[in-house]
Amino acid sequence: EVQLVESGGGLVQPGGSLRLSCAASGFSFSSYSMHWVRQAPGKGLEYVSAIGHTGDRTYYADSVKGRFTISRDNSKNTLYLQMGSLRAEDMAVYYCTREMGNWQYYDFWGQGTLVTVSS
Amino acid sequence: DIQMTQSPSSLSASVGDRVTITCRASQGINNYIAWYQQKPGKGPKLLIYAASTLQLGVPSRFSGSGSGTDFTLAISSLQPEDVAVYYCQKYYGAPPTFGQGTKVEIK
Repeated sequence: EVQLVESGGGLVQPGGSLRLSCAASGFSFSSYSMHWVRQAPGKGLEYVSAIGHTGDRTYYADSVKGRFTISRDNSKNTLYLQMGSLRAEDMAVYYCTREMGNWQYYDFWGQGTLVTVSS
Repeated sequence: DIQMTQSPSSLSASVGDRVTITCRASQGINNYIAWYQQKPGKGPKLLIYAASTLQLGVPSRFSGSGSGTDFTLAISSLQPEDVAVYYCQKYYGAPPTFGQGTKVEIK
């Protein structure tokens, strides 16, 4: 069974940093590109970042470019999102997602981890 | 960026009714659209990809259609377990973008 389990969310002050993790199981993690998608409270879904299956290609939404870094450790079946210079508008539930078939849509999602940015 | 405009934002229908949700792209996206269902407190679930291909395990009362700029998600006979928010997403070109969502309730 495919499982994606996010962790690392919490309360952080504006300007602060946080690292999210996503532990993957039930599939060959190193064969899939992975993404982060977020959802602000009561709002819709927003693409954040993507990484190729080997980690050599990374992509970012304009809203997080230069502040967030996506990475992966295929030996640990884990995806990461290092978030810096956090702003109030970054407050959201962050979902780890698996890209399906080399197309940028998602056949599996985690349960999400909440990031709260507040002083 | 290509924008996705979803309508209606919410709807209320009776059990057994046929329900349709539309999504319009600001420019042509061929058939590169997916539909998701999100229940409260959960991550979204993939229903349909490539505009009309049903994901494995999704009930056959769900269907998708359209090509180019106009797309539709239909539920042929609404069930109580279909109460959720539904999102379209285009994956033609970067970045992938989502519609605003449609909240479906039972009347």
